[in-house]
Amino acid sequence: GQQVMQIPQYQHVQEGEDFTTYCNSSTTLSNIQWYKQRPGGHPVFLIQLVKSGEVKKQKRLTFQFGEAKKNSSLHITATQTTDVGTYFCAGGGSGYALNFGKGTSLLVTP
Amino acid sequence: DVKVTQSSRYLVKRTGEKVFLECVQDMDHENMFWYRQDPGLGLRLIYFSYDVKMKEKGDIPEGYSVSREKKERFSLILESASTNQTSMYLCASSSDGQIKYFGPGTRLTVT
Repeated sequence: GQQVMQIPQYQHVQEGEDFTTYCNSSTTLSNIQWYKQRPGGHPVFLIQLVKSGEVKKQKRLTFQFGEAKKNSSLHITATQTTDVGTYFCAGGGSGYALNFGKGTSLLVTP
Repeated sequence: DVKVTQSSRYLVKRTGEKVFLECVQDMDHENMFWYRQDPGLGLRLIYFSYDVKMKEKGDIPEGYSVSREKKERFSLILESASTNQTSMYLCASSSDGQIKYFGPGTRLTVT
């Protein structure tokens, strides 16, 4: 079945440094979603990408969907302590359900 | 601003007990999902439902069953709880392929 791999598993940065997490799928995705989960919380939807090569920005966050629709990335510019949490990607295929990556846990130290 | 609610935030049950986890959404969504989340394993799909009385197995359905008698409610049932079912359980709903809302989660401990 469809597999979504996410790297790195953990990332520790100093406040102000940039951060990137990557998702790769073994099959072509119809769309990809990104979520953020704060410690002790539940996943919160950030964005959906649908088009090949799509790039979307939300303030310091930049999301990209690859040309082949098999990979995606989330880049955070100049991290802040409020960015701490686990970032998940989830790929949509032909069915109703999403396949989640295992997430990247981001730790930001001041 | 209620979207997806789950009946309990924390639950402690004994091995062999029958456990019911309830999820309710107020967005009139057709699709509802149950995931479990474990450290290092991410979110894994247990079951989902695309309509009332319809259900589909996810990646890890063994030891679980579900019920969807009404559109807004999706129940996860552990027929005979075991210690390896200790986990965080997350319910979600969607109207298309986009899951925008998760419930707050139920942290279940089976002793």
